[in-house]
Amino acid sequence: DGGITQSPKYLFRKEGQNVTLSCEQNLNHDAMYWYRQDPGQGLRLIYYSQIVNDFQKGDIAEGYSVSREKKESFPLTVTSAQKNPTAFYLCASRRTGGRTDTQYFGPGTRLTVL
Amino acid sequence: ELKVEQNPLFLSMQEGKNYTIYCNYSTTSDRLYWYRQDPGKSLESLFVLLSNGAVKQEGRLMASLDTKARLSTLHITAAVHDLSATYFCAVVIMEYGNKLVFGAGTILRVKS
Repeated sequence: DGGITQSPKYLFRKEGQNVTLSCEQNLNHDAMYWYRQDPGQGLRLIYYSQIVNDFQKGDIAEGYSVSREKKESFPLTVTSAQKNPTAFYLCASRRTGGRTDTQYFGPGTRLTVL
Repeated sequence: ELKVEQNPLFLSMQEGKNYTIYCNYSTTSDRLYWYRQDPGKSLESLFVLLSNGAVKQEGRLMASLDTKARLSTLHITAAVHDLSATYFCAVVIMEYGNKLVFGAGTILRVKS
């Protein structure tokens, strides 16, 4: 079964803690993305990576960090510097090289700060 | 900075009726996507529109793209309850790793 998995589905964080959200894909896609969704809003790009060992900041990267050590994995760390981290986090991946390449999304992680 | 605006943001309609969701974007892009999101769920790809005049249809949904007007439409024909969801349009910025810039979404509720 090819697809994108995210874990955990729900995550609770205390103030001042760092937490890491997992994203794994077995689609052999080169590019991976992290988006944040707040209630009643569209998605906003946090970070993206087009190849292994390389990644770029998106529109709202402050307070977040990522790594891309393997093609299939793109974990996101929400640090204590992120002032308002409660949101729905979505990971996506895309095959590169074609104009019709669509971003496919994982099931998401809902993060709540206690 | 690319801005994407959808309207309406909320649409309540009766089963069997037709309606159109509009998506305007502010700068040139050669690719536009429509996604569907059910409550608490992830995004499902509906359509990718690549060129001016492109039209795609799937069931009761039809999407079109006018790149000169920077406008895409999602037309719903004879709505049924199962179409209730939030619909997003998203425009590609190729210079930034093909990132997607999303509209705020249209919440569609189809009433029986």
